Amino acid sequence: EVQLVESGGGLVQPGRSLKLSCAASGFTFSNYYMAWVRQAPKKGLEWVATISTSGSRTYYPDSVKGRFTISRDNAKSSLYLQMNSLKSEDTATYYCATDRQDYFDYWGQGVMVTVSS
Amino acid sequence: DIQMTQSPASLSASLEEIVTITCQASQDIGNWLAWYQQKPGKSPQLLIYGATSLADGVPSRFSGSRSGTQYSLKISRLQVEDPGIYYCLQGYSAPRTFGGGTKLELK
Repeated sequence: EVQLVESGGGLVQPGRSLKLSCAASGFTFSNYYMAWVRQAPKKGLEWVATISTSGSRTYYPDSVKGRFTISRDNAKSSLYLQMNSLKSEDTATYYCATDRQDYFDYWGQGVMVTVSS
Repeated sequence: DIQMTQSPASLSASLEEIVTITCQASQDIGNWLAWYQQKPGKSPQLLIYGATSLADGVPSRFSGSRSGTQYSLKISRLQVEDPGIYYCLQGYSAPRTFGGGTKLELK
């Protein structure tokens, strides 16, 4: 059974940093592109970042480019999201997901990030 | 960016009723369209990918179709477990974008 478990969320002040983690199990992690998708409270879904199987290629929308960095450790079956210069509009639930490059199939339960002073 | 316009924003339907939700793409996206169901407090669940392919474990009452740049999700006979918010996702070009969502409730 595919399992994705996010951690590392919490309350952080604007301008500060936070790093999310996602522990994967139940599938061959190194064979999959992986992604982060977020959902602001009571709002819709927004793709945040994607990383290739080896980690050599990363992709971001303009809203987070230059502030967020996605990375992975295939030996640990783990995915990460380093978030710097956080803004109030980054407040959201962040989901880790397997990425088929056009759609996301398996999703974690999500982790909440609140950016507030 | 490609805009995905979902309609209706909300709807209420009775058990066993046929329900249709649509997504209009702002440009041609081929069959690069997926549908998701999200229940309160849960993560989204994949229903349809490639515009018409049913994801593993999804009941056959769900189906997807395409007419040009308009995409539809059909629930053939609404069941008690189907209420939630439904989203479409275009996977044709970056940044991938979701529709605004359709809230489905039981009447």
